Amino acid sequence: DSGVTQTPKHLITATGQRVTLRCSPRSGDLSVYWYQQSLDQGLQFLIQYYNGEERAKGNILERFSAQQFPDLHSELNLSSLELGDSALYFCASSVGGLAGDEQYFGPGTRLTVT
Amino acid sequence: GESVGLHLPTLSVQEGDNSIINCAYSNSASDYFIWYKQESGKGPQFIIDIRSNMDKRQGQRVTVLLNKTVKHLSLQIAATQPGDSAVYFCAENDAGANSKLTFGKGITLSVRP
Repeated sequence: DSGVTQTPKHLITATGQRVTLRCSPRSGDLSVYWYQQSLDQGLQFLIQYYNGEERAKGNILERFSAQQFPDLHSELNLSSLELGDSALYFCASSVGGLAGDEQYFGPGTRLTVT
Repeated sequence: GESVGLHLPTLSVQEGDNSIINCAYSNSASDYFIWYKQESGKGPQFIIDIRSNMDKRQGQRVTVLLNKTVKHLSLQIAATQPGDSAVYFCAENDAGANSKLTFGKGITLSVRP
């Protein structure tokens, strides 16, 4: 158990809908990262937050947004969902937000768009 | 459990043998490398890391080798056990850019009893 929690574990929704994925980092970790894992693209970095502020951005679509709250939990919002958004979404956390900080991954949320 | 990839290359080894998993990375500016293990239905789990000022680092039953000349990373697992069966990913980071990790495609390790 990494100490990172994600909810829900599974989510099934229809195209065009909007969903929110939630992540609670390990106690004491200030940085949260979001990743998408799909069969054809592998693990792709989406976005990173550090202590409430956006720190780095990866291949995140404009339909997707995230935020980190004062209690350090984070939410990833996915809107206007398409079939291709079906994937595993992982959250990771680290103590700081620097390169070289070990990232601890949560169990993931499996999103299925029908 | 959930499948993380249906089209990944597979390495099949006999229990007790040593395993070598290879990875080619793309960014010559990358200076930090990590190996992750992902079991079915779980998130990636840190195994071992290495910085670009080293060419070898050992952990418990695992060794990572880095060859910057040819941009190659390998993970050696000694005395492979059934519990080592998983998908293995290498990841690279360019600290000069940001803390974003770029992951390789992954390799499935299958341990035969």
